[in-house]
Amino acid sequence: AQRVTQPEKLLSVFKGAPVELKCNYSYSGSPELFWYVQYSRQRLQLLLRHISRESIKGFTADLNKGETSFHLKKPFAQEEDSAMYYCALLVQAGTALIFGKGTTLSVSS
Amino acid sequence: EPEVTQTPSHQVTQMGQEVILRCVPISNHLYFYWYRQILGQKVEFLVSFYNNEISEKSEIFDDQFSVERPDGSNFTLKIRSTKLEDSAMYFCASALAKNIQYFGAGTRLSVL
Repeated sequence: AQRVTQPEKLLSVFKGAPVELKCNYSYSGSPELFWYVQYSRQRLQLLLRHISRESIKGFTADLNKGETSFHLKKPFAQEEDSAMYYCALLVQAGTALIFGKGTTLSVSS
Repeated sequence: EPEVTQTPSHQVTQMGQEVILRCVPISNHLYFYWYRQILGQKVEFLVSFYNNEISEKSEIFDDQFSVERPDGSNFTLKIRSTKLEDSAMYFCASALAKNIQYFGAGTRLSVL
């Protein structure tokens, strides 16, 4: 069965430190991977999708099919990055997103 | 920027009562979804809807659940007879193309 694993429930870093939020997936085909972010009391927002290969708010994520990973990285964390981050897998266009449990990122000064 | 709108933001109901959660998807979107998140757990898929019919549903989406798009703008989730374990955050999402889903802010359902 398809699954997304985010091993860290909470990641606490200081402002300016590098951040890596881990995401591993299990699926034998060619998936599409996403990162969604949920700021306090706000909706889930799309942050990144692997197909776009873009950097949003300084975050990047590279799909590593060999390691079945899609880790989210930012070289210098900001306090406004504090939020809940969800990795999600789309097996086939038009079908359900499969979410990981989420990682809370806390950035303090 | 257009958004998916969900009402109410919080619904409190007694066990056994029917509830209807409402969603207004982004206006030109074609694909509609409901997800739920029980407190402390992951976001789980319930159902997807396209071309006025259910296109996919999970095992959670049993006979107690139904969805409707009654008037071309609203997309509703009905729970016929709520149970304590239905207490969760319910998210509506919509998509224009098949890949990028845009989420509403959610409705918190509390079943007492």
